[in-house]
Amino acid sequence: GDSVTQMEGPVTLSEEAFLTINCTYTATGYPSLFWYVQYPGEGLQLLLKATKADDKGSNKGFEATYRKETTSFHLEKGSVQVSDSAVYFCALRKWYGTGANNLFFGTGTRLTVIP
Amino acid sequence: DTGVSQNPRHKITKRGQNVTFRCDPISEHNRLYWYRQTLGQGPEFLTYFQNEAQLEKSRLLSDRFSAERPKGSFSTLEIQRTEQGDSAMYLCASSSFRAQGAGNTIYFGEGSWLTVV
Repeated sequence: GDSVTQMEGPVTLSEEAFLTINCTYTATGYPSLFWYVQYPGEGLQLLLKATKADDKGSNKGFEATYRKETTSFHLEKGSVQVSDSAVYFCALRKWYGTGANNLFFGTGTRLTVIP
Repeated sequence: DTGVSQNPRHKITKRGQNVTFRCDPISEHNRLYWYRQTLGQGPEFLTYFQNEAQLEKSRLLSDRFSAERPKGSFSTLEIQRTEQGDSAMYLCASSSFRAQGAGNTIYFGEGSWLTVV
């Protein structure tokens, strides 16, 4: 079945450190891939997305590239800030087939950035 | 454009009671989704509507759960005879069918926390 696997957290970094959160997926067909962020006590916000292989999604200094050959969509940021502390979710959505109209999420990775 | 609105934001109820959550999607979004999120986990799909039609339901949606979207605008999610295992955050989301393909964005509300004691 379709699934998303994220690196387990929590991840603790110092301010201005480099961030990588790994995400790999299993899906039939050609899904679109997403990163959502959840700040404490809030719902999910879309951070970035990529709809086809080799696409790069980017937003607020975060980037992720859709790698079909490795079925991955790793999230990166060159210099994290305290305000980036949140839980990050990788997700996929398919064009067709069972579950085509909803998102499949990973378990989330909690990031804490310390000053 | 206002976002997806959910209420109540927090609900504490005794086991066996019924609870109802309401979701107001982004205006003109014809797709509406319900997800459940437990602590330390990612959201899990429960059900989705296109306009007023409930087109898909997850196996997670037991017969104690019912969702409606009577006029194709707001939606309600009712849980009957609540159990402690129902304690979770219930997330509503919406999207526009006009934006074609799996890349169209699903926007989430802030969630409704349910605690069953």
